Order: sequence, then C-alpha cells, then structure tokens
Amino acid sequence: GENVEQHPSTLSVQEGDSAVIKCTYSDSASNYFPWYKQELGKGPQLIIDIRSNVGEKKDQRIAVTLNKTAKHFSLHITETQPEDSAVYFCAASGNTGNQFYFGTGTSLTVIP
Amino acid sequence: KAGVTQTPRYLIKTRGQQVTLSCSPISGHRSVSWYQQTPGQGLQFLFEYFSETQRNKGNFPGRFSGRQFSNSRSEMNVSTLELGDSALYLCASKRTAASLTDTQYFGPGTRLTVL
Repeated sequence: GENVEQHPSTLSVQEGDSAVIKCTYSDSASNYFPWYKQELGKGPQLIIDIRSNVGEKKDQRIAVTLNKTAKHFSLHITETQPEDSAVYFCAASGNTGNQFYFGTGTSLTVIP
Repeated sequence: KAGVTQTPRYLIKTRGQQVTLSCSPISGHRSVSWYQQTPGQGLQFLFEYFSETQRNKGNFPGRFSGRQFSNSRSEMNVSTLELGDSALYLCASKRTAASLTDTQYFGPGTRLTVL
C-alpha cells in the first residue's frame, strides 16, 4: 500500500516568517493530496488540497506544491501568525485501496 | 450546515470491556470513514462505509467493527478492549465514496481511555 512520510516532526518559526512542511509518497497511482490542520481538542480540518493534474495551488497565505516525478509535495505558509500554531498532516489517496494515507504530522509553533 | 458530530466525546473503559462509538455525518454525506489516532502511529484508517456497506477496511483486528444505518449515521464497536486501544477515534464524512477527491470532513473525535 501507500506510504507517506512527513518532515519535520516539529517546527518553530518566528511570527511573520515562512514555514515549509514536506511529504513524500510511494504509490505513483496516488492522485489527491490534502493537507489538514489539527488544533488541540479538535478533529483535523482541511486547509488546502491539490490534485495530480496541477503542480501548485495557492490560497492566501497557504500554498501547496506537487512534484509527481519525485513523488513529493509540500505545504508553504507565509507570514505566519500565532494562530497558525497546530499540528499539520499531509495525506495521499488514489485509485488503489480507496483510502487516505496520512503522514505522521508536524507540530508547528509560531513564536510571537 | 452542522458538521460531523461524534458521541461520546470521552470514554473510560477497562480491559476486556467493549465500547460503541457513534458518528453523525454532515447532512447529505453518505460516506463515513473511521480513523484511530495515537501519538505513536498517527492517523490510521479503520474502515469506510457507504450506503450501509463496508467498502474498505484497514489493517486492524476483527475486534474492531462498524456499521452504517440507512440515515448514514455510523457506529464503530471495539470488543475485548486492550490497553493499546486507548486513542482518539475520528470519524470523517464525504458526499460519496465514488470519488477519491471528495473533500473529507472530520468530527472532533472520541477520546477512549482503556485502564
């Protein structure tokens, strides 16, 4: 099955700086890559996603890039704010297995 | 539009007992998936239900089971609880199971502690 690896496991940045989280996947058939943000005591919330037919997608301060050849995708958060502090998960899904495979999460801390 | 709801939010059980967790999907969503979240293993897929049928199952023992009702509400059951079953159990819903790219929405989870 699919294997998704996520790095780093923890990340601290100063408010206003950028944060980058990277994920790699193993199954070349995967074609959908969502990113989730999980705050303490809550379930994961979808923040952005990308499909395999595009290389980049942006939504205000958040962007995701996908390199299908290298099988990796990244989350970029610019102008970070304290409320961006949370655990972020990447995921991959495709035609095999009909399920989502999640990375192990990145705990992001934005220091005011 | 109400989000995914899960009950109860917290549960404490002892080893050997069984437990039933409930999930109500977003109105109009017919697919419900269950995940186990632990600090060591992250988010692991348990199973997915669509139209009262289990469509896919993760790599968990048979002690973990589920079902879906005609109104799309779902329950999962864990029998003969073990200490290692302590986790946050998350339910997620989406409109259909046919498209892998449907947005999946998560509930707040049920925190299960096994003593």
